[in-house]
Amino acid sequence: GQQLNQSPQSMFIQEGEDVSMNCTSSSIFNTWLWYKQDPGEGPVLLIALYKAGELTSNGRLTAQFGITRKDSFLNISASIPSDVGIYFCAGQGEGQGNLIFGKGTKLSVKP
Amino acid sequence: DSGVTQTPKHLITATGQRVTLRCSPRSGDLSVYWYQQSLDQGLQFLIQYYNGEERAKGNILERFSAQQFPDLHSELNLSSLELGDSALYFCASSVGYKNIQYFGAGTRLSVL
Repeated sequence: GQQLNQSPQSMFIQEGEDVSMNCTSSSIFNTWLWYKQDPGEGPVLLIALYKAGELTSNGRLTAQFGITRKDSFLNISASIPSDVGIYFCAGQGEGQGNLIFGKGTKLSVKP
Repeated sequence: DSGVTQTPKHLITATGQRVTLRCSPRSGDLSVYWYQQSLDQGLQFLIQYYNGEERAKGNILERFSAQQFPDLHSELNLSSLELGDSALYFCASSVGYKNIQYFGAGTRLSVL
């Protein structure tokens, strides 16, 4: 099925560092969502974006909806050990209810 | 806690068998979505129900079926199971025009 290109696939960083990950698509999306998944759990919504150019923050997390509507990025500032997990981007097309997911960015944080 | 409840958490079965996964959406949510998560394919949309009616279909195999009941809970039925059906199966629910989807904790299916 259709998927988004999410990069990087994995990151191994030091506590306190900033993190950036992004997703690109060949299709235009009306909505971009960022989720985090911990082992043995379902994805948990972090940030939802609804308009091209929109920049939204949730604590140390900031995400933007790309102007072309084909991309989005997520930044995490001053990472902490509990940021460890897999981060997924998801897009929703016009008139569609289902989400299309990227393959995830696995984040590891070294204390 | 997302408010979406999935049972069972783990399921181990043999090839050729049939299983039923259950999902209770968040209170008030009319839409239920089923997704499959495998290591090589990531999260893939299977099917959506809205207020009891099938709304959209993704890459769902013919051996799989789902339904949503009047109390809005949903069941995903997987039959003639194959080794490749081993995966995490997630249910999500949503309400409203913004369609933010909240996910359950998933059912881990192992087909031996």
